[in-house]
Amino acid sequence: AQSVSQHNHHVILSEAASLELGCNYSYGGTVNLFWYVQYPGQHLQLLLKYFSGDPLVKGIKGFEAEFIKSKFSFNLRKPSVQWSDTAEYFCAVNAPGAGSYQLTFGKGTKLSVIP
Amino acid sequence: GAGVSQSPSNKVTEKGKDVELRCDPISGHTALYWYRQRLGQGLEFLIYFQGNSAPDKSGLPSDRFSAERTGESVSTLTIQRTQQEDSAVYLCASSVDGVKRGRRNEQFFGPGTRLTVL
Repeated sequence: AQSVSQHNHHVILSEAASLELGCNYSYGGTVNLFWYVQYPGQHLQLLLKYFSGDPLVKGIKGFEAEFIKSKFSFNLRKPSVQWSDTAEYFCAVNAPGAGSYQLTFGKGTKLSVIP
Repeated sequence: GAGVSQSPSNKVTEKGKDVELRCDPISGHTALYWYRQRLGQGLEFLIYFQGNSAPDKSGLPSDRFSAERTGESVSTLTIQRTQQEDSAVYLCASSVDGVKRGRRNEQFFGPGTRLTVL
């Protein structure tokens, strides 16, 4: 079974600061990796995803993530955060090739950006 | 609409009552998933449908929970004899194809149903 750990429960940053949110997963096989975002009062939206190929993936709103297979990591980054990035961020993984179709989520990281 | 829809958006019920939650997936999506998000927790998988069969029910927490799906369309999640610990946001997601790796497996989420059991 897979598991996902997100290192930070709550991150507080000032606008224009750089962001890195950690995500590690445990599964030895081929995986799909995702970051979802939930803005206050809104539903989960896909931020970015990795299926194969270039391990550096770019998503919406200037976010990017790097898949490092040797570290089982898929950290989320943004060079300069804005107040509108205040939200909860969830890392998720599945392995459909191994019969694991559902997403396994981390517990989420709340990001608060102070103007 | 183009997205996953769920109803009701909010449901308040008394302990011991049964509730039914509905999900309308994106048209053409063969795979449908139910998840639960309890306060302060990440999302927990409940059940997965491929078409109208459920190859994975491993996340259903007890026999009070059941789900069905009509063809490749609407799904209902039923909770019988609700308990206070069932209070959570119940999320539905759909994807083009559950078994493929890659873009066809990308899951799109609905807005959820917030269930409160008094």
